[in-house]
Amino acid sequence: DQQVKQNSPSLSVQEGRISILNCDYTNSMFDYFLWYKKYPAEGPTFLISISSIKDKNEDGRFTVFLNKSAKHLSLHIVPSQPGDSAVYFCAASGKSGGSNYKLTFGKGTLLTVNP
Amino acid sequence: NAGVTQTPKFQVLKTGQSMTLQCAQDMNHNSMYWYRQDPGMGLRLIYYSASEGTTDKGEVPNGYNVSRLNKREFSLRLESAAPSQTSVYFCASTSGAYNEQFFGPGTRLTVL
Repeated sequence: DQQVKQNSPSLSVQEGRISILNCDYTNSMFDYFLWYKKYPAEGPTFLISISSIKDKNEDGRFTVFLNKSAKHLSLHIVPSQPGDSAVYFCAASGKSGGSNYKLTFGKGTLLTVNP
Repeated sequence: NAGVTQTPKFQVLKTGQSMTLQCAQDMNHNSMYWYRQDPGMGLRLIYYSASEGTTDKGEVPNGYNVSRLNKREFSLRLESAAPSQTSVYFCASTSGAYNEQFFGPGTRLTVL
């Protein structure tokens, strides 16, 4: 049973436009959400996070939106740059499974930003 | 600071062989994790150690054992490797719950 879902395996956008990556979760015990970025042959790197007490968090070109009632979050990248081309993982943490030390990851979305 | 380091970077094993993947972090983090990444499957948690002296199973622990050697080091052992364990393995660490995890560069393991 997949608790964190990224339903789009891939997304292609033009440089300078907005990239919107989506993530849905099923477990209402999740209360902290993170986005990671991964380049080929490297480990994932943390991008941005949001607590369930907020509905928006912004860091430069990256903004994460959380809709708790819909159990949905999204990552907006504006403007998109070719260097943003990578796999993006959504992750969630909370008391699910008995520990808030664990992250549950989605399967990832491959973002390609075309020059 | 080196962050999270993993050795080896690549390994090829034959079915039934054993090996240990090493992980170390120099950030004085309390919690450490082992994940595997398979195509189309995202990152799946194998084992984690919330603090020195404790270890717990994650989503896919079968066929693996771990040792939290000290605060810095967390190793993953495959006692009898199987082709299904062909994967990329990532170690991660964090200072505590609800904090970002820092990942190592990964170990690419092939079991023939």
